[in-house]
Amino acid sequence: AQKVTQAQTEISVVEKEDVTLDCVYETRDTTYYLFWYKQPPSGELVFLIRRNSFDEQNEISGRYSWNFQKSTSSFNFTITASQVVDSAVYFCALSEGLIYNQGGKLIFGQGTELSVKP
Amino acid sequence: GAVVSQHPSRVICKSGTSVKIECRSLDFQATTMFWYRQFPKQSLMLMATSNEGSKATYEQGVEKDKFLINHASLTLSTLTVTSAHPEDSSFYICSARVRQFSYEQYFGPGTRLTVT
Repeated sequence: AQKVTQAQTEISVVEKEDVTLDCVYETRDTTYYLFWYKQPPSGELVFLIRRNSFDEQNEISGRYSWNFQKSTSSFNFTITASQVVDSAVYFCALSEGLIYNQGGKLIFGQGTELSVKP
Repeated sequence: GAVVSQHPSRVICKSGTSVKIECRSLDFQATTMFWYRQFPKQSLMLMATSNEGSKATYEQGVEKDKFLINHASLTLSTLTVTSAHPEDSSFYICSARVRQFSYEQYFGPGTRLTVT
């Protein structure tokens, strides 16, 4: 079965702290994509990253970094030197390959609400 | 980048009435659009997949007669909540896929529906 688990429901940190958001997934497919989205209080989803199952290289984009480990089926997201503007709900999502998912639909995790306090 | 709009952004309606939500791809043609529902403090749940010119595919547990989806053109999909009840109050989000067999999806800003 396809499933995405974000075990951390809420995280609260103080500004400038580093924080890691965990994401564990289950899939029946060898080809799949993983995503992270940010949802600020306004509600609009902001795309952060997409990763395919054949690319395990870690990625860094400014203060954001992602660690993809197929061996543990995890795709964790780290924010370094967090800022108040990082406060939002973050969703991890999975899209299986076209053999099982010609429609390309996304399966979302439960989301992690990050609160960064000044 | 690709832009998806939704209208209205907020709507309040009385119980028993129907509400239509529009999802438009502004600068690209979308062969497939998706409709999600998000209850407060919860995740996005896919309701249905809408392909231009054909009937929508609904997820298990979603009533197709209650949530009518029409994808009449490559840039417009509509979701009509028929005979709305307070339990239908939710945040409805659409997304559009850029092209067939693509993993790129762009999300609309969402529509907050409140049924009184």
